[in-house]
Amino acid sequence: KAGVTQTPRYLIKTRGQQVTLSCSPISGHRSVSWYQQTPGQGLQFLFEYFSETQRNKGNFPGRFSGRQFSNSRSEMNVSTLELGDSALYLCASTLAGSSYEQYFGPGTRLTVT
Amino acid sequence: GQNIDQPTEMTATEGAIVQINCTYQTSGFNGLFWYQQHAGEAPTFLSYNVLDGLEEKGRFSSFLSRSKGYSYLLLKELQMKDSASYLCAVNSGGYQKVTFGTGTKLQVIP
Repeated sequence: KAGVTQTPRYLIKTRGQQVTLSCSPISGHRSVSWYQQTPGQGLQFLFEYFSETQRNKGNFPGRFSGRQFSNSRSEMNVSTLELGDSALYLCASTLAGSSYEQYFGPGTRLTVT
Repeated sequence: GQNIDQPTEMTATEGAIVQINCTYQTSGFNGLFWYQQHAGEAPTFLSYNVLDGLEEKGRFSSFLSRSKGYSYLLLKELQMKDSASYLCAVNSGGYQKVTFGTGTKLQVIP
């Protein structure tokens, strides 16, 4: 079974631009969560989607948004990029139901200059 | 609010036992995860504790005390490949809302 895939793996953007990151969960997994990881803050929860609905949201500004498609693939978008948005963005998929184990993708390394 | 504390760094000797502690204060509690993350890689699942007590899985064991807001990860017979960051995380939302601690960087030395 293929793992969680994220594209692109690396991205360089300039301040003010916007970016869209993609995550394809493990086949059959319906819950997708997004995290931002930085050396100082660790892993911080962005949001979680299940069946195309956002069920949970972390404490990030409205510049961070996401969506999930009917095939469970998810995208997250960051608008008006700031230098502080430079981070590793990880997505994780979960089978949902009684299973809570999250399987993480390799992440997208975003650098904002 | 959500607060999860764990030591920043630890060093242990190959073959020894190490205990990594985690204390938490969260609004809501469904369960507690432990993840391992090697440098430059994604976190990988180690354990998920819902009820109080010790759960053993090979060389790794995880303990939970919900009344004390406390958990620990016990690693036995340490190997060099165990050098990694260990992340404690609490599932506290109505669904999958997971708050991570900043992680404990474990260095295993010969």
